[in-house]
Amino acid sequence: DTAVSQTPKYLVTQMGNDKSIKCEQNLGHDTMYWYKQDSKKFLKIMFSYNNKELIINETVPNRFSPKSPDKAHLNLHINSLELGDSAVYFCASSQDTADTQYFGPGTRLTVL
Amino acid sequence: AQKVTQAQTEISVVEKEDVTLDCVYETRDTTYYLFWYKQPPSGELVFLIRRNSFDEQNEISGRYSWNFQKSTSSFNFTITASQVVDSAVYFCALEAGSYQLTFGKGTKLSVIP
Repeated sequence: DTAVSQTPKYLVTQMGNDKSIKCEQNLGHDTMYWYKQDSKKFLKIMFSYNNKELIINETVPNRFSPKSPDKAHLNLHINSLELGDSAVYFCASSQDTADTQYFGPGTRLTVL
Repeated sequence: AQKVTQAQTEISVVEKEDVTLDCVYETRDTTYYLFWYKQPPSGELVFLIRRNSFDEQNEISGRYSWNFQKSTSSFNFTITASQVVDSAVYFCALEAGSYQLTFGKGTKLSVIP
Protein backbone atom coordinates (compact mmCIF):
# COMPACT_ATOMS: atom_id res chain seq x y z
CA ASP A 1 0.00 0.00 0.00
CA THR A 2 2.87 2.35 -0.90
CA ALA A 3 1.60 5.88 -1.43
CA VAL A 4 4.15 7.13 -3.96
CA SER A 5 6.30 4.54 -5.68
CA GLN A 6 9.16 4.85 -8.14
CA THR A 7 10.90 2.32 -10.33
CA PRO A 8 13.67 1.52 -10.55
CA LYS A 9 15.29 2.33 -7.20
CA TYR A 10 18.76 2.20 -8.71
CA LEU A 11 19.75 2.85 -12.31
CA VAL A 12 23.29 2.53 -13.59
CA THR A 13 23.89 3.33 -17.25
CA GLN A 14 26.43 4.55 -19.75
CA MET A 15 26.74 8.07 -21.09
CA GLY A 16 24.64 8.66 -24.17
CA ASN A 17 21.93 6.15 -23.28
CA ASP A 18 18.23 6.94 -22.92
CA LYS A 19 16.43 5.90 -19.76
CA SER A 20 13.07 6.30 -18.04
CA ILE A 21 12.02 6.47 -14.41
CA LYS A 22 8.43 5.65 -13.54
CA CYS A 23 6.35 7.15 -10.77
CA GLU A 24 2.92 6.15 -9.53
CA GLN A 25 0.79 7.49 -6.68
CA ASN A 26 -2.27 5.81 -5.21
CA LEU A 27 -3.33 8.77 -3.07
CA GLY A 28 -5.81 10.19 -5.56
CA HIS A 29 -3.78 13.39 -5.78
CA ASP A 30 -4.11 15.83 -8.66
CA THR A 31 -0.55 17.17 -8.72
CA MET A 32 2.72 15.36 -9.26
CA TYR A 33 6.33 16.56 -9.28
CA TRP A 34 9.87 15.59 -10.14
CA TYR A 35 12.78 16.83 -8.04
CA LYS A 36 16.51 16.32 -8.45
CA GLN A 37 18.81 15.92 -5.44
CA ASP A 38 22.45 16.45 -6.26
CA SER A 39 25.51 15.03 -4.53
CA LYS A 40 25.43 17.85 -1.98
CA LYS A 41 21.86 16.91 -1.06
CA PHE A 42 20.40 20.03 -2.64
CA LEU A 43 16.79 19.46 -3.76
CA LYS A 44 15.43 21.34 -6.75
CA ILE A 45 12.11 21.16 -8.57
CA MET A 46 12.25 20.02 -12.18
CA PHE A 47 8.64 19.61 -13.28
CA SER A 48 5.14 19.73 -11.93
CA TYR A 49 1.93 18.40 -13.45
CA ASN A 50 -1.57 19.23 -12.31
CA ASN A 51 -4.35 17.07 -13.73
CA LYS A 52 -1.99 15.87 -16.45
CA GLU A 53 -1.11 19.43 -17.49
CA LEU A 54 2.42 20.78 -17.15
CA ILE A 55 2.44 23.76 -14.75
CA ILE A 56 6.11 24.06 -13.83
CA ASN A 57 9.04 23.47 -16.10
CA GLU A 58 12.16 24.73 -14.45
CA THR A 59 15.34 25.31 -16.34
CA VAL A 60 16.29 21.77 -17.13
CA PRO A 61 17.86 20.52 -20.37
CA ASN A 62 15.31 19.48 -22.96
CA ARG A 63 16.85 16.01 -22.80
CA PHE A 64 14.51 15.59 -19.83
CA SER A 65 10.90 15.01 -20.80
CA PRO A 66 8.10 14.24 -18.36
CA LYS A 67 5.10 12.25 -19.45
CA SER A 68 1.83 11.98 -17.57
CA PRO A 69 -0.42 9.30 -19.08
CA ASP A 70 -2.96 9.80 -16.30
CA LYS A 71 -3.28 11.60 -12.96
CA ALA A 72 -1.71 8.72 -11.06
CA HIS A 73 1.46 8.51 -13.14
CA LEU A 74 4.29 10.88 -13.99
CA ASN A 75 7.24 9.34 -15.77
CA LEU A 76 10.57 10.97 -16.50
CA HIS A 77 12.41 10.17 -19.70
CA ILE A 78 16.00 11.24 -20.14
CA ASN A 79 17.76 11.24 -23.50
CA SER A 80 21.49 11.20 -24.16
CA LEU A 81 22.49 10.82 -20.53
CA GLU A 82 25.47 12.82 -19.31
CA LEU A 83 27.75 12.39 -16.30
CA GLY A 84 26.17 15.43 -14.66
CA ASP A 85 22.78 13.75 -14.67
CA SER A 86 23.95 11.45 -11.89
CA ALA A 87 21.74 12.25 -8.91
CA VAL A 88 18.79 11.02 -6.92
CA TYR A 89 15.47 11.79 -8.57
CA PHE A 90 12.39 12.08 -6.38
CA CYS A 91 8.81 11.95 -7.46
CA ALA A 92 6.20 13.59 -5.24
CA SER A 93 2.47 14.19 -5.23
CA SER A 94 0.02 16.50 -3.51
CA GLN A 95 -3.74 16.88 -3.45
CA ASP A 96 -3.47 20.27 -5.07
CA THR A 97 -0.69 22.66 -5.93
CA ALA A 98 -0.28 24.24 -2.48
CA ASP A 99 -0.84 21.14 -0.39
CA THR A 100 1.66 18.93 1.38
CA GLN A 101 3.85 16.99 -1.01
CA TYR A 102 4.52 13.35 -0.31
CA PHE A 103 7.66 11.90 -1.78
CA GLY A 104 8.54 8.60 -3.35
CA PRO A 105 11.60 6.64 -2.20
CA GLY A 106 13.86 8.14 -4.88
CA THR A 107 15.76 6.71 -7.83
CA ARG A 108 19.53 6.85 -7.68
CA LEU A 109 20.80 7.39 -11.21
CA THR A 110 24.48 6.80 -11.90
CA VAL A 111 25.85 7.67 -15.31
CA LEU A 112 29.23 6.11 -16.12
CA ALA B 1 11.79 35.15 -5.32
CA GLN B 2 11.74 32.68 -2.49
CA LYS B 3 14.70 31.61 -0.46
CA VAL B 4 15.26 29.30 2.49
CA THR B 5 18.42 29.40 4.55
CA GLN B 6 19.53 26.67 6.89
CA ALA B 7 22.74 28.08 8.25
CA GLN B 8 23.70 24.97 10.20
CA THR B 9 25.26 22.49 7.81
CA GLU B 10 26.01 19.80 10.38
CA ILE B 11 25.18 19.40 14.06
CA SER B 12 26.33 16.68 16.44
CA VAL B 13 24.71 16.10 19.80
CA VAL B 14 24.92 13.43 22.43
CA GLU B 15 21.82 11.32 22.92
CA LYS B 16 19.20 12.88 25.20
CA GLU B 17 20.37 16.41 24.49
CA ASP B 18 17.94 18.92 23.04
CA VAL B 19 18.77 20.37 19.64
CA THR B 20 17.31 23.21 17.57
CA LEU B 21 17.56 23.38 13.81
CA ASP B 22 17.29 26.87 12.38
CA CYS B 23 15.38 27.92 9.29
CA VAL B 24 15.08 31.44 7.90
CA TYR B 25 12.96 32.16 4.86
CA GLU B 26 12.42 35.01 2.41
CA THR B 27 9.31 35.72 0.41
CA ARG B 28 7.27 38.73 -0.65
CA ASP B 29 4.04 36.78 -0.60
CA THR B 30 1.70 37.26 2.34
CA THR B 31 0.29 33.76 1.95
CA TYR B 32 2.81 30.98 2.11
CA TYR B 33 3.46 27.58 3.64
CA LEU B 34 6.44 26.27 5.52
CA PHE B 35 7.48 22.65 5.80
CA TRP B 36 9.99 20.42 7.45
CA TYR B 37 11.08 17.12 5.95
CA LYS B 38 13.39 14.45 7.36
CA GLN B 39 15.74 12.42 5.20
CA PRO B 40 17.17 9.48 7.19
CA PRO B 41 20.23 7.58 5.96
CA SER B 42 17.92 5.25 4.02
CA GLY B 43 17.23 8.19 1.71
CA GLU B 44 13.49 8.71 1.66
CA LEU B 45 11.95 12.10 2.38
CA VAL B 46 9.53 12.04 5.28
CA PHE B 47 7.03 14.85 5.79
CA LEU B 48 7.06 16.26 9.34
CA ILE B 49 4.98 19.43 9.40
CA ARG B 50 3.20 22.04 7.29
CA ARG B 51 2.42 25.48 8.63
CA ASN B 52 0.61 28.31 6.86
CA SER B 53 1.63 31.94 7.19
CA PHE B 54 -1.49 32.91 9.12
CA ASP B 55 -0.94 30.43 11.90
CA GLU B 56 1.87 31.48 14.20
CA GLN B 57 0.98 29.08 16.96
CA ASN B 58 3.83 26.88 17.99
CA GLU B 59 3.30 23.18 17.48
CA ILE B 60 4.39 20.23 19.54
CA SER B 61 4.30 16.62 18.43
CA GLY B 62 5.88 14.28 20.92
CA ARG B 63 9.56 15.18 21.17
CA TYR B 64 9.30 17.54 18.19
CA SER B 65 8.32 21.18 18.40
CA TRP B 66 8.28 24.04 15.94
CA ASN B 67 8.60 27.75 16.57
CA PHE B 68 7.23 29.99 13.82
CA GLN B 69 8.03 33.70 14.10
CA LYS B 70 6.96 35.95 11.24
CA SER B 71 8.76 38.91 12.77
CA THR B 72 12.10 37.21 12.18
CA SER B 73 11.00 35.07 9.21
CA SER B 74 12.04 31.96 11.04
CA PHE B 75 10.58 28.50 11.44
CA ASN B 76 12.84 26.63 13.83
CA PHE B 77 12.60 22.97 14.76
CA THR B 78 13.52 21.57 18.16
CA ILE B 79 14.02 17.95 19.06
CA THR B 80 13.83 17.29 22.78
CA ALA B 81 15.77 14.40 24.33
CA SER B 82 17.32 13.42 21.02
CA GLN B 83 17.67 9.78 20.07
CA VAL B 84 19.97 7.98 17.66
CA VAL B 85 17.00 7.43 15.32
CA ASP B 86 16.76 11.19 14.92
CA SER B 87 20.04 11.15 12.96
CA ALA B 88 19.14 12.42 9.51
CA VAL B 89 19.28 15.38 7.20
CA TYR B 90 16.46 17.80 7.93
CA PHE B 91 15.12 20.12 5.25
CA CYS B 92 13.09 23.25 5.71
CA ALA B 93 11.00 24.25 2.67
CA LEU B 94 8.78 27.11 1.54
CA GLU B 95 5.84 27.21 -0.87
CA ALA B 96 4.75 30.72 -1.79
CA GLY B 97 2.38 30.94 -4.73
CA SER B 98 4.72 29.22 -7.13
CA TYR B 99 3.29 25.71 -6.83
CA GLN B 100 6.72 24.38 -5.95
CA LEU B 101 8.75 23.81 -2.86
CA THR B 102 11.91 25.82 -2.36
CA PHE B 103 14.18 23.82 -0.11
CA GLY B 104 16.97 24.89 2.18
CA LYS B 105 20.27 23.09 1.84
CA GLY B 106 19.52 20.87 4.79
CA THR B 107 21.05 20.33 8.21
CA LYS B 108 22.71 17.01 8.92
CA LEU B 109 22.00 15.96 12.48
CA SER B 110 24.11 13.26 14.08
CA VAL B 111 23.00 11.94 17.45
CA ILE B 112 25.81 10.13 19.21
CA PRO B 113 24.93 7.35 21.65
